[in-house]
Amino acid sequence: DAKTTQPNSMESNEEEPVHLPCNHSTISGTDYIHWYRQLPSQGPEYVIHGLTSNVNNRMASLAIAEDRKSSTLILHRATLRDAAVYYCILGSGAGSYQLTFGKGTKLSVIP
Amino acid sequence: GAVVSQHPSWVICKSGTSVKIECRSLDFQATTMFWYRQFPKQSLMLMATSNEGSKATYEQGVEKDKFLINHASLTLSTLTVTSAHPEDSSFYICSATSVVAGEDEQFFGPGTRLTVL
Repeated sequence: DAKTTQPNSMESNEEEPVHLPCNHSTISGTDYIHWYRQLPSQGPEYVIHGLTSNVNNRMASLAIAEDRKSSTLILHRATLRDAAVYYCILGSGAGSYQLTFGKGTKLSVIP
Repeated sequence: GAVVSQHPSWVICKSGTSVKIECRSLDFQATTMFWYRQFPKQSLMLMATSNEGSKATYEQGVEKDKFLINHASLTLSTLTVTSAHPEDSSFYICSATSVVAGEDEQFFGPGTRLTVL
């Protein structure tokens, strides 16, 4: 499986934008870039995913580099509720894909 | 959105006993369910993939006779930890996916915390 590299931790002030980077230099042409997050003592939740074009949804934006070797998850205004571990995962876009979780980035939000 | 529940949310058992954890998709039919395990301060590790009506596919290093998975219906999968020992204490999380529910997204349950004394 192609691997991703993320910083171990990041901090952000509340109500400021947050840019969470992810490197995936060995991504294949069919790999989607998925982002999930896990709040403390909870199961992960889906954030966003994309293939080549930048994506926006109600939770976040995903900016994908032109060569697809890196991507950035953007939270436009961090709230305390956004404090979580964010996982960048490569995988098929099909319905039954397996997710291989790395260590992720622990985001702390400072009031 | 699609909801996945787990029961129980936490369980404490004695060493040597068996524990069953249920994973239900509440508002959609899950063609595939996954079971993960997460030790403290570590990431999730996939244990097995389960398709309704067929045998689960276990990841390397996961004992299929110790972690019994049954996916008897499109809304229910169970994980039974047999002869549990303290090293099996962990956070067990299931997820479900369905083409109808949204094929590019997995829906995770809230997790079950197992403590084996």
